[in-house]
Amino acid sequence: GAVVSQHPSWVICKSGTSVKIECRSLDFQATTMFWYRQFPKQSLMLMATSNEGSKATYEQGVEKDKFLINHASLTLSTLTVTSAHPEDSSFYICSARVLGTVSGDEQYFGPGTRLTVT
Amino acid sequence: LAKTTQPISMDSYEGQEVNITCSHNNIATNDYITWYQQFPSQGPRFIIQGYKTKVTNEVASLFIPADRKSSTLSLPRVSLSDTAVYYCLVGDGGGYQKVTFGTGTKLQVIP
Repeated sequence: GAVVSQHPSWVICKSGTSVKIECRSLDFQATTMFWYRQFPKQSLMLMATSNEGSKATYEQGVEKDKFLINHASLTLSTLTVTSAHPEDSSFYICSARVLGTVSGDEQYFGPGTRLTVT
Repeated sequence: LAKTTQPISMDSYEGQEVNITCSHNNIATNDYITWYQQFPSQGPRFIIQGYKTKVTNEVASLFIPADRKSSTLSLPRVSLSDTAVYYCLVGDGGGYQKVTFGTGTKLQVIP
């Protein structure tokens, strides 16, 4: 099946610094990628939808100036958490959509990135 | 977006068949139903997807009644390694519509 990677798998940063997380589709092209955030014992919360070559669409309540998303190619999307604070500590997961033909779309998820802000 | 409702948690003994039902009363005509499995600190993993009737693959079956307002994920003979959270998602099968995760069902397999 389609493989999505994320880098780094975990990161610890100091409050006030910025962190970039990469999401790559390894063996397919993804015109659409999604970024999710998941707090402990909670479900995934969609942060934004990223289409290649255009600006990301952010969900209500997600600050676009704080969570910068760039989808410059069909295989790479990046999420930059700017001026990170402890409350931004979370598990960040990306997914890439594979447009189906007969059976519909499938989303393939990356392994996630654990961000801890101290 | 079609909202989904699932039981918060379920317990099952090893070797039993587990059925997890998801309600999606306002599913749209072109929506597909997809189930994912998630282990702690990992990204969700695709299990199965269907549109109507029954779909079966090597790990699960998906039953969808004619009105498509619900679906049931069936896991045959579960093992301890099936302990995970299972999410039912409903979304557009032909475009860029986003899908939203519900609460999921925490399945605990007991030895």
